[in-house]
Amino acid sequence: KAGVTQTPRYLIKTRGQQVTLSCSPISGHRSVSWYQQTPGQGLQFLFEYFSETQRNKGNFPGRFSGRQFSNSRSEMNVSTLELGDSALYLCASSLGAGKETQYFGPGTRLLVL
Amino acid sequence: GENVEQHPSTLSVQEGDSAVIKCTYSDSASNYFPWYKQELGKRPQLIIDIRSNVGEKKDQRIAVTLNKTAKHFSLHITETQPEDSAVYFCAAWATGNQFYFGTGTSLTVIP
Repeated sequence: KAGVTQTPRYLIKTRGQQVTLSCSPISGHRSVSWYQQTPGQGLQFLFEYFSETQRNKGNFPGRFSGRQFSNSRSEMNVSTLELGDSALYLCASSLGAGKETQYFGPGTRLLVL
Repeated sequence: GENVEQHPSTLSVQEGDSAVIKCTYSDSASNYFPWYKQELGKRPQLIIDIRSNVGEKKDQRIAVTLNKTAKHFSLHITETQPEDSAVYFCAAWATGNQFYFGTGTSLTVIP
């Protein structure tokens, strides 16, 4: 099976712009979670989607949003970008929701100038 | 919510020695603990996990131990090799229905 894929792999944006990141889970996986990874902070949970519904949301401002489509692909959107949003954004898919083994994508590295 | 602390943040060992990374958690209801390895520029990959009904799990040179009473779990790598050099993350599945990750341990195996 193909692994989790994310597009684009790299992005450069300026403050105030918005960005949309995409994640395609492993075939058959219905849950997609998003994380922000920054040096020294580890992985911070953004949100989880299962069957097109947001199951849980981390402690991030409303500028961060997401959605999941019927084919389980997920998108994450960040509006009004700030310098501090520069990070590696990882998505992870799992077969079901909850404490299932997660498989990570390669990430999208976002740089905000 | 859950709080996962990971130590040490950096670890250097000689090739062939053992490496131990420890994580503590705060939520006694946490019941699933995976460990991930992330090589430079690559995605985190699951290397081993343990559920709360088990005290120890081994997979070749890698083992994880769980002490529910003390609320800590540890990753043990024996006979380390240069290719073990990476950042290792622990995580805990908590009642908030999400994974909480440690801040990572950068392991360097010196040939």
